[in-house]
Amino acid sequence: ELKVEQNPLFLSMQEGKNYTIYCNYSTTSDRLYWYRQDPGKSLESLFVLLSNGAVKQEGRLMASLDTKARLSTLHITAAVHDLSATYFCAVDQGAQKLVFGQGTRLTINP
Amino acid sequence: DAGVIQSPRHEVTEMGQEVTLRCKPISGHDYLFWYRQTMMRGLELLIYFNNNVPIDDSGMPEDRFSAKMPNASFSTLKIQPSEPRDSAVYFCASSWGASGNTIYFGEGSWLTVV
Repeated sequence: ELKVEQNPLFLSMQEGKNYTIYCNYSTTSDRLYWYRQDPGKSLESLFVLLSNGAVKQEGRLMASLDTKARLSTLHITAAVHDLSATYFCAVDQGAQKLVFGQGTRLTINP
Repeated sequence: DAGVIQSPRHEVTEMGQEVTLRCKPISGHDYLFWYRQTMMRGLELLIYFNNNVPIDDSGMPEDRFSAKMPNASFSTLKIQPSEPRDSAVYFCASSWGASGNTIYFGEGSWLTVV
């Protein structure tokens, strides 16, 4: 059974700082998704990583995938308050059957 | 595009009542997913369809839950009879093509069973 674990689960940081969210998974997959969820809202797609070594960047967020280590990271550079949200990684078991991590609740303080 | 459209957005119902949640996927998408989100269990895949055909319903919690997709633009998730432990946010999502494409989520249906 595929298990997806994120850490940390809660992260409080100051504006301007850098930090990384980690997503570990237990079985082989080369497709990993990152989503953002604001309170009471839907899930917004951030990145789809499709191969070992894939790296994607959008603004202050950068995601990478290491399929051999079964690890993905979401790096936040010079955080701003607008990035406060819950971030989920999800691993594709096949045919887009996603298994989600627990989510990382990120709070960015002025 | 209007995105994935779900209704109702909020529903409060009494235990034992039937609940029907509705979803209109993005036009042209051939995959449709139903997820449930709770504090205790996080996001769980309940069932998904490809070209209107149910492919995997192993996540459906029990026989009280059923899902249909009568055509490419409409799906329902029904709970009968509903129980308080069914209280959750139910998300519908859709995508196109094979694995690796973006999966788009609707705004969710917030269900409370009292």
